[in-house]
Amino acid sequence: AQKITQTQPGMFVQEKEAVTLDCTYDTSDPSYGLFWYKQPSSGEMIFLIYQGSYDQQNATEGRYSLNFQKARKSANLVISASQLGDSAMYFCAMRGNQAGTALIFGKGTTLSVSS
Amino acid sequence: SAVISQKPSRDICQRGTSLTIQCQVDSQVTMMFWYRQQPGQSLTLIATANQGSEATYESGFVIDKFPISRPNLTFSTLTVSNMSPEDSSIYLCSVEPGRSQETQYFGPGTRLLVL
Repeated sequence: AQKITQTQPGMFVQEKEAVTLDCTYDTSDPSYGLFWYKQPSSGEMIFLIYQGSYDQQNATEGRYSLNFQKARKSANLVISASQLGDSAMYFCAMRGNQAGTALIFGKGTTLSVSS
Repeated sequence: SAVISQKPSRDICQRGTSLTIQCQVDSQVTMMFWYRQQPGQSLTLIATANQGSEATYESGFVIDKFPISRPNLTFSTLTVSNMSPEDSSIYLCSVEPGRSQETQYFGPGTRLLVL
């Protein structure tokens, strides 16, 4: 069975600072993918970044990067230069790499960015 | 990327009634997923809908309560039957576009309040 753990219910950061949101996972699948989503108060789920378990390099997408440590089974999201618009709920998720496999989500972290 | 629309965007319903939620995708996809997000909670998979076959339900979800249709490769419906206040949630459909397993996109969600 797969499991995602996000231990930070809430995080607070000031504008322009970097912030790390923690995510650990557990799986017996040899091949899997890790995802981060942002959910603003509107409720939509916005895909941010993906990391494959066999990827040698950490994924980056603009201000988002994923600090992937396979041996520790962690996939932390780093947001650089935080903006007020980054205030939202952030979910870490994973799935096995078979086509058509659904995502399993963590409980989420609420990020609040202040000016 | 895939553009996903859901109808209705929100609704207020009386207990004992049923609501059908529509999910439309702008491209053909093999698998569609239905999730529920109860207030303040993470996303939980209800079922996986594969075109041309019966939906596969997760533990705790049954077809009589959440019947799903998948008539073609771009459309699916989820019905929430005999509603109670505990069904008040955001319902989201999600797809895995094309052959890429590096993304999974979500619709904007349907906010349901049951009185």
